[in-house]
Amino acid sequence: DTEVTQTPKHLVMGMTNKKSLKCEQHMGHRAMYWYKQKAKKPPELMFVYSYEKLSINESVPSRFSPECPNSSLLNLHLHALQPEDSALYLCASSQGLGQLNIQYFGAGTRLSVL
Amino acid sequence: QKEVEQNSGPLSVPEGAIASLNCTYSDRGSQSFFWYRQYSGKSPELIMSIYSNGDKEDGRFTAQLNKASQYVSLLIRDSQPSDSATYLCAVENQGGKLIFGQGTELSVKP
Repeated sequence: DTEVTQTPKHLVMGMTNKKSLKCEQHMGHRAMYWYKQKAKKPPELMFVYSYEKLSINESVPSRFSPECPNSSLLNLHLHALQPEDSALYLCASSQGLGQLNIQYFGAGTRLSVL
Repeated sequence: QKEVEQNSGPLSVPEGAIASLNCTYSDRGSQSFFWYRQYSGKSPELIMSIYSNGDKEDGRFTAQLNKASQYVSLLIRDSQPSDSATYLCAVENQGGKLIFGQGTELSVKP
């Protein structure tokens, strides 16, 4: 089973709203990732957690706030987003960090910011 | 020079033909190479991983890696309309990050 579950599938929010995206995996993976993908572009890495600690932050604006409550869960808290933040947000997980680790992606959350 | 380069396409092949997708990368220290398939509006799905020079076959898919030339390719034999998608080449760099190419859009015509 290589399932990564993301909720919600779709989200529409205003620029003053606060919302959260959720990601869950039960494969025992110790690394989890958030990516952002715009139309016709490849996924762009946002954050990496390894053993529940933030390992990489790709200079993402503070209106995006990640959280890893435990080894199976990853959240992305959203606040005061801009319309240009509308995108497909992908969560991925892998056994560990570094080379030879395969990343498995969830189905994504399609976010629209009005 | 981009870290991972792919022909953007679109690449159009007739049903039953071989589709050939190519990718070059710049980080000589990379050890892990992946091909993901992404249907429109969906998330990337892993179809092949390759770590050693040579060929790796899985059903109708063959991945080829040449580290000396910094080149990785994907061949799809007996292409089907259901193979129509964007194919993303991904290379794990020495920092452990997965770097994606821009993707090649493949269209298989019945």
